[in-house]
Formats: sequence, structure tokens, C-alpha cells
Amino acid sequence: KAGVTQTPRYLIKTRGQQVTLSCSPISGHRSVSWYQQTPGQGLQFLFEYFSETQRNKGNFPGRFSGRQFSNSRSEMNVSTLELGDSALYLCASSFGTGIIEQFFGPGTRLTVL
Amino acid sequence: SQELEQSPQSLIVQEGKNLTINCTSSKTLYGLYWYKQKYGEGLIFLMMLQKGGEEKSHEKITAKLDEKKQQSSLHITASQPSHAGIYLCGADGSNTGKLIFGQGTTLQVKP
Repeated sequence: KAGVTQTPRYLIKTRGQQVTLSCSPISGHRSVSWYQQTPGQGLQFLFEYFSETQRNKGNFPGRFSGRQFSNSRSEMNVSTLELGDSALYLCASSFGTGIIEQFFGPGTRLTVL
Repeated sequence: SQELEQSPQSLIVQEGKNLTINCTSSKTLYGLYWYKQKYGEGLIFLMMLQKGGEEKSHEKITAKLDEKKQQSSLHITASQPSHAGIYLCGADGSNTGKLIFGQGTTLQVKP
């Protein structure tokens, strides 16, 4: 069974631009969560989607948004990029919600210049 | 808010030695996850623990969750260079699937 895939793997943008990242969960998984990882803050939860509905949201500004499609694929969007948005963005998929095994993708490395 | 503290922050061991990494929570855990990460890459799922006193093993790695569900340990027996990486504990403190993570423990294994 294929794992979680994320595209693109690397991205370079300039301040003020916007970016869209994509995550395809493991086949049959309906929940997708997004995390941001930086050297200073570590891994931080962004949001979780289940059956196209956002179930949980972390403490990030409204510039960070996401959505999930009927095939469970998810996208996250960051508008008006700031230098501090440079990070590794990871998505995790699970079959359902709650206390359940979550499997991560390889991540998208975003660099904002 | 819940916090997870890992210790030690970094570890250098000789190949073949045993080692333990600890993860302590400020609150009771609903679920405790252990992941391994190579620098700049995704997280590899190792184990998930739910019940107080639970212990799980996979190959040479054993993880335990204490009875009070506030502390977990990850033990590696006879370490190998392939065990090198960053070990992260993650916890669900609200039974929602939203995970918070410790700061990670960097493990180096010297051949």
C-alpha cells in the first residue's frame, strides 16, 4: 500500500506570495492533519480534516488555510508569505479520528526569501 | 496547555549499547506516539500506546507507558548505526487526534 505523498517536495517563494501544498493520504484513510516544523518551535499542529470538514485547528493566523476533497486528498494554502513561514510542512493521515495511528508523509520544504 | 518534555536532548552511544529516551507530560495522556525522523525528512511511525502500563516492542525497540499515563520511555537494545536519527514523542491530550510533540532526542550511534 502506498504511503502518504506530498507535493511538491521543495518550494522557494518570496515574501508576499501565496503557496498551495498538497497531501494524498494512504488509500482508505479519511483524516488528514497538517503540521509545521521549524528549528525554533518544533512540530506544531495546524489543522485536521475528516470527511471534508475541518475538525481541529491550531494556533496559526488566518493566512493558513486548508481544505479536503471528496477523495480525502488535502491542500493547505498560505497567503501573504512571511520569512517566518519557512519550514517543513508535514501531513499525516489516519483511518479515522481520535487515538489512532497517524502516518506522516515526507514533507514539503518551503523556503521564503 | 499540555507540554511534553523529552530527555535527554541528545545522545551519543557506541554501537551495541542499550539506551533509553524519556518523554514526560504535564497532563494525563490519552495516547502517546513515538516517531523517528531523519533530518529534514518525514516522521516514521514506531509505536502508539494508549493504556496505563502498556508496553510494545518492535524489533529492538520497546516503548512503555506508565500506569499514571504521564510518562513514556523508549528503549533500544543493542543499538546499531541504523537507529541514528531524531526520536519524537507525540501525545494526544484531548482525545481529538490533535498531537503535540516533544522537542525531540537526537541519537548518534558510533560504529
